[in-house]
Amino acid sequence: KQEVTQIPAALSVPEGENLVLNCSFTDSAIYNLQWFRQDPGKGLTSLLLIQSSQREQTSGRLNASLDKSSGRSTLYIAASQPGDSATYLCAVRSGGGADGLTFGKGTHLIIQP
Amino acid sequence: GAVVSQHPSWVICKSGTSVKIECRSLDFQATTMFWYRQFPKQSLMLMATSNEGSKATYEQGVEKDKFLINHASLTLSTLTVTSAHPEDSSFYICSADASYEQYFGPGTRLTVT
Repeated sequence: KQEVTQIPAALSVPEGENLVLNCSFTDSAIYNLQWFRQDPGKGLTSLLLIQSSQREQTSGRLNASLDKSSGRSTLYIAASQPGDSATYLCAVRSGGGADGLTFGKGTHLIIQP
Repeated sequence: GAVVSQHPSWVICKSGTSVKIECRSLDFQATTMFWYRQFPKQSLMLMATSNEGSKATYEQGVEKDKFLINHASLTLSTLTVTSAHPEDSSFYICSADASYEQYFGPGTRLTVT
C-alpha cells in the first residue's frame, strides 16, 4: 500500500527566503505526482503536476522535482512571500493512472512578514 | 476549463438524518470521480471511486451502506451520508478525472449535531 510522507510537518521562515519542502513515497511505481496548496478551511489548489516520465516542472516561483527511483519529490519555493503561507500537500497517483490520489499529511508553511 | 463544483458548500444536520452532496464537472465529462474525506488537521483520505454507470469502489474501512454513491451521468456524482452521526462530521471533497489528471471541487463541510 502506497504511503506518502512529508517533511517537515511545519515550517516558519522570514519573507524572502528560498525554501524546500520534501515528499517521499514508498512505492516507486507511480503514474504521476502532484503538489497542492490548501488554505485554512478551503479546498485544494493544484500547483504542479509531474508525470512519472518527467524530472521536474516549473511554474513561476515554484519548481517541483521528481526522482521516482528513490521515491522522492521536492517543492522549491523561491523568494517566499507572506501570501505563500498555507498547507502544502503532496499526492501520488498509482495504478496506471486509474487510482485515486494518496496524500501526505502536508507541510504547514508560515512566511513571516 | 476543468472546473468542478460541489453543493452544498456547508451543511449542518441532526444525528440520524441523511445528507446528499453533489459533485459536478461543469465543462467536461468525467467517467470517473473520486470522493475524499478530511478530518480536522488531517490529510485527505480517499473514500471511494465513482464510475459512471457502475457501482462505486470503496476503500478499506469505508462503509458502503453508509456512504451511498451514485454516478448517474458523466457530469454528476452524488454522495449520500445515511444516518449521519457526529463522527461523520468532516470536510468532503470530490474530484473528477480528465486526461488522467484530477480536478478538485471546493469541498463540503458537514457538521452533524
